[in-house]
Amino acid sequence: DQQVKQNSPSLSVQEGRISILNCDYTNSMFDYFLWYKKYPAEGPTFLISISSIKDKNEDGRFTVFLNKSAKHLSLHIVPSQPGDSAVYFCAASRSLNAGNNRKLIWGLGTSLAVNP
Amino acid sequence: KAGVTQTPRYLIKTRGQQVTLSCSPISGHRSVSWYQQTPGQGLQFLFEYFSETQRNKGNFPGRFSGRQFSNSRSEMNVSTLELGDSALYLCASSWGRRIYNEQFFGPGTRLTVL
Repeated sequence: DQQVKQNSPSLSVQEGRISILNCDYTNSMFDYFLWYKKYPAEGPTFLISISSIKDKNEDGRFTVFLNKSAKHLSLHIVPSQPGDSAVYFCAASRSLNAGNNRKLIWGLGTSLAVNP
Repeated sequence: KAGVTQTPRYLIKTRGQQVTLSCSPISGHRSVSWYQQTPGQGLQFLFEYFSETQRNKGNFPGRFSGRQFSNSRSEMNVSTLELGDSALYLCASSWGRRIYNEQFFGPGTRLTVL
């Protein structure tokens, strides 16, 4: 049973437009969320994170929004660039305060293609 | 600063064999985590080592084991290989154990079991 779901396996957008990648989770105990980007033949690279005490975190062109009541988060990329073409993974974890449960639970990823 | 390195990059084995994968973390990093990535399951956590001790373990059978050396380098071993073990095995290192730290991933070892 996937606790972290990325329901869109792929997304295609035009260069300069906004890319919105979505992620849903089922475990209400998750309180820390991360986005990773992965190019072919490379490992995932940390992109941006958000704690459950916030509903938005911004870093340059990347913004993550968290809606705890809906158990939903999204990654916005504005403006999208061809170099952003990659697979994006959403990951979630429980707080360290919940015990020795530091595992990250990952979604299956969304492949983003930004067309010039 | 050199990144996380994993050796070998590609490996082909047959069912029943055993395999050892190696991971060298970024200099100064003491935490090493291992993940298995398959198309259908995504990234699944295998285990985490910190200061030569296994601190956390995922839901994998005992055929999967690992260890960490005093220089923080880590190895994982899979015994009695099955076809379903074919996957990309990723290693990630971080300075500390807090999840808020960034994890830096290596390029992975692609294991194919025939």
